[in-house]
Amino acid sequence: AQKVTQTQTSISVMEKTTVTMDCVYETRDSSYFLFWYKQTASGEIVFLIRQDSYKKENATEGHYSLNFQKPKSSIGLIITATQIEDSAVYFCAMREGRNNNNAPRFGAGTKLSVKP
Amino acid sequence: DPKIIQKPKYLVAVTGSEKILICEQYLGHNAMYWYRQSAKKPLEFMFSYSYQKLMDNQTASSRFQPQSSKKNHLDLQITALKPDDSATYFCASSQNRAETLYFGSGTRLTVL
Repeated sequence: AQKVTQTQTSISVMEKTTVTMDCVYETRDSSYFLFWYKQTASGEIVFLIRQDSYKKENATEGHYSLNFQKPKSSIGLIITATQIEDSAVYFCAMREGRNNNNAPRFGAGTKLSVKP
Repeated sequence: DPKIIQKPKYLVAVTGSEKILICEQYLGHNAMYWYRQSAKKPLEFMFSYSYQKLMDNQTASSRFQPQSSKKNHLDLQITALKPDDSATYFCASSQNRAETLYFGSGTRLTVL
């Protein structure tokens, strides 16, 4: 069974710094898809970035990038040059690939606070 | 304009009653999902449908019944409501079962 774990409940950083949020996952599938989402204070859930397990290169999207460490079953989210508006809850998710019927499962989330 | 519409935004119900949460998506996606978010269990997967057929189900209780009248609709009927059902219910969709999810703005349900 697939499982996603985010151990950091909350993180606080100063504006314009770099932050890394951790996520580890469990799966028996050799093919899977990893996602990061952001939930803003208004409750809106927004897709940020994804990593397909067969891709060796870490995905990047704007000031978001991923640190994909397949042997460690880890997919960290890196936000560079953080801004106040990056303050939100960040969720990691995984969808197993072998069974296309599986829906993504989410971690518990990490609350990021960016201070001026 | 929102591409995934959930109605209503807020809903208050009494214990034992029945409610239907509405979800329509205008992204042209063929897969739709329901997730529930509460303080106890953040973003908990409930159901997924593809081409109006149930694909994945993680909800043990039969009180929760998804209803898909059209490819771009996936409503959620909840019967015999309990206070523990209080949560925000998010609808999501994806182009196909392997692709990225896009979420609606949620329906916040409070059961008194």
